[in-house]
Amino acid sequence: DTAVSQTPKYLVTQMGNDKSIKCEQNLGHDTMYWYKQDSKKFLKIMFSYNNKELIINETVPNRFSPKSPDKAHLNLHINSLELGDSAVYFCASSPWTGYTDTQYFGPGTRLTVL
Amino acid sequence: EDKVVQSPLSLVVHEGDTVTLNCSYEVTNFRSLLWYKQEKKAPTFLFMLTSSGIEKKSGRLSSILDKKELFSILNITATQTGDSAVYLCAYVGSGNTGKLIFGQGTTLQVKP
Repeated sequence: DTAVSQTPKYLVTQMGNDKSIKCEQNLGHDTMYWYKQDSKKFLKIMFSYNNKELIINETVPNRFSPKSPDKAHLNLHINSLELGDSAVYFCASSPWTGYTDTQYFGPGTRLTVL
Repeated sequence: EDKVVQSPLSLVVHEGDTVTLNCSYEVTNFRSLLWYKQEKKAPTFLFMLTSSGIEKKSGRLSSILDKKELFSILNITATQTGDSAVYLCAYVGSGNTGKLIFGQGTTLQVKP
């Protein structure tokens, strides 16, 4: 069974379009995250939600808007896509027990903006 | 600003070699340090270290943390081609946000 899943795996779109990436986890975790990995493989946190509440909101253009309908889902909507948005976007989840900081990552969504 | 620096950035070895990957950090409010392995897709968890001097082991991989000198190492003995990957180090600060701050990664290539 897939623990953290993302759809789609690949997304190719034109500049100016609006697109969404979906993430679901079946681990029963309370916290979910979005990371962006650039072409140099550098992973950077964008957002996190704990039980549907926004916890982390890094310096990300407001064209990016996360939405968490329930604690098992965290979606990422991107408006007016730009060339610089091309990257791999990873969703992750972790429990909120205070005993572990381990985060489990989804397979990633490779976004290409033309 | 908190940061995590990994070295070397890339490494090429032959099967059977032993490698040591380094991770140094300059952070406030340290809580834990994590190692991940990333092949073609998602980073997969290897170790979480919170206490200084205690080695974590899993098969041929081991890791240790030095909180006084602010670094961690990841050792891989008897390397295999399947160990080829990007190895990522990340720290978690205190404050219950769970935010992982990653280093830039070490790309390891193991040749047959």
